[in-house]
Amino acid sequence: GENVEQHPSTLSVQEGDSAVIKCTYSDSASNYFPWYKQELGKGPQLIIDIRSNVGEKKDQRIAVTLNKTAKHFSLHITETQPEDSAVYFCAAYSARAGTYKYIFGTGTRLKVLA
Amino acid sequence: SAVISQKPSRDICQRGTSLTIQCQVDSQVTMMFWYRQQPGQSLTLIATANQGSEATYESGFVIDKFPISRPNLTFSTLTVSNMSPEDSSIYLCSTRQGVDEQYFGPGTRLTVT
Repeated sequence: GENVEQHPSTLSVQEGDSAVIKCTYSDSASNYFPWYKQELGKGPQLIIDIRSNVGEKKDQRIAVTLNKTAKHFSLHITETQPEDSAVYFCAAYSARAGTYKYIFGTGTRLKVLA
Repeated sequence: SAVISQKPSRDICQRGTSLTIQCQVDSQVTMMFWYRQQPGQSLTLIATANQGSEATYESGFVIDKFPISRPNLTFSTLTVSNMSPEDSSIYLCSTRQGVDEQYFGPGTRLTVT
């Protein structure tokens, strides 16, 4: 079945450095790719998303890129801060034949070291 | 985005008992979803709850174990029945805005002893 692979599972960076998390999806019908940040004890928060008609999207220190041919999309966080420490989930969404499926990646635990 | 609240935020329950989790949205939404997140794991969809129709369950989840109600466009409940320690998880309610943007509630942290 469809799946989304996410790497790495854990990532430690020094404050101020950049962090990159990568996802690969299998369903070619996927057309929407959100990223969620989940802090300890909280629900996932939508932080950025990208649709299949766009190759890159940026919002302040975070950006997402999409390569439809390779079925890859990535989250880039620049100038990381301790408050960026959290678990990040990617997801791929597709709508086919009246069903609407979100497939989530397995998560990346990001630690920003002060 | 919609504001979603859940009650309770956490609970510790004995095996064999049942717990009902409430989800309230601050605006009317067509589709509501219930997810389970086991410790350190990703999100698994339990069921989709549309107002006025029976919930649709994903493979591996059954109505007898996870009955769902959706009495109106802003509210839903999920019951975890006859609980066992394997049911210890975070249970998340979510809604979708527009075509595909999905938002989550804060979650209910359930521990079964």
